[in-house]
Amino acid sequence: GQSLEQPSEVTAVEGAIVQINCTYQTSGFYGLSWYQQHDGGAPTFLSYNALDGLEETGRFSSFLSRSDSYGYLLLQELQMKDSASYFCGVRDDKIIFGKGTRLHILP
Amino acid sequence: GVTQSPTHLIKTRGQQVTLRCSSQSGHNTVSWYQQALGQGPQFIFQYYREEENGRGNFPPRFSGLQFPNDSSELNVNALELDDSALYLCASSSGQGPSYEQYFGPGTRLTVT
Repeated sequence: GQSLEQPSEVTAVEGAIVQINCTYQTSGFYGLSWYQQHDGGAPTFLSYNALDGLEETGRFSSFLSRSDSYGYLLLQELQMKDSASYFCGVRDDKIIFGKGTRLHILP
Repeated sequence: GVTQSPTHLIKTRGQQVTLRCSSQSGHNTVSWYQQALGQGPQFIFQYYREEENGRGNFPPRFSGLQFPNDSSELNVNALELDDSALYLCASSSGQGPSYEQYFGPGTRLTVT
């Protein structure tokens, strides 16, 4: 079967760094995407990795290891507005999303 | 951006519903997702140039259409209580699923 695993919740302090992990088991793989979704809002695209390594976009970075079927999203200099759910998604002939990680940020 | 209508909808079990989506300008692929509370979006199906070119594990009572103006519909027949969810459409360019999809705000469907 196809599955993606992410922690259900993560808590961090404002200004700190947090890492959200994602492991996947899918029949096909073209890349790993990350999306952010605030309560009541639509998912918005954050980052994408097709090849192994680190991609950096401002305060957000994403990492992929295809041999380990593993990736993570790294959020630096956390701000209160980063409180949201974060989904990893594997792209093969469609995009399959994990159940999401709820990020709580403490002041 | 991507727009969806209606915002909220309440239906009775057994009824039929049509949800609508207008893709971002220039995008020719639209995907529909079902998102239950506290869960990730589940892929329903995808349309490219008015043809379905991918489907998730949803029964045939979930059907769709894509129109030449890149608007699309999701139809659900014989509604069940478990169909209560947020329905999201997402548009992208190209034939396959793009790694960067633009999501609409969703339609919250409640089945009673």
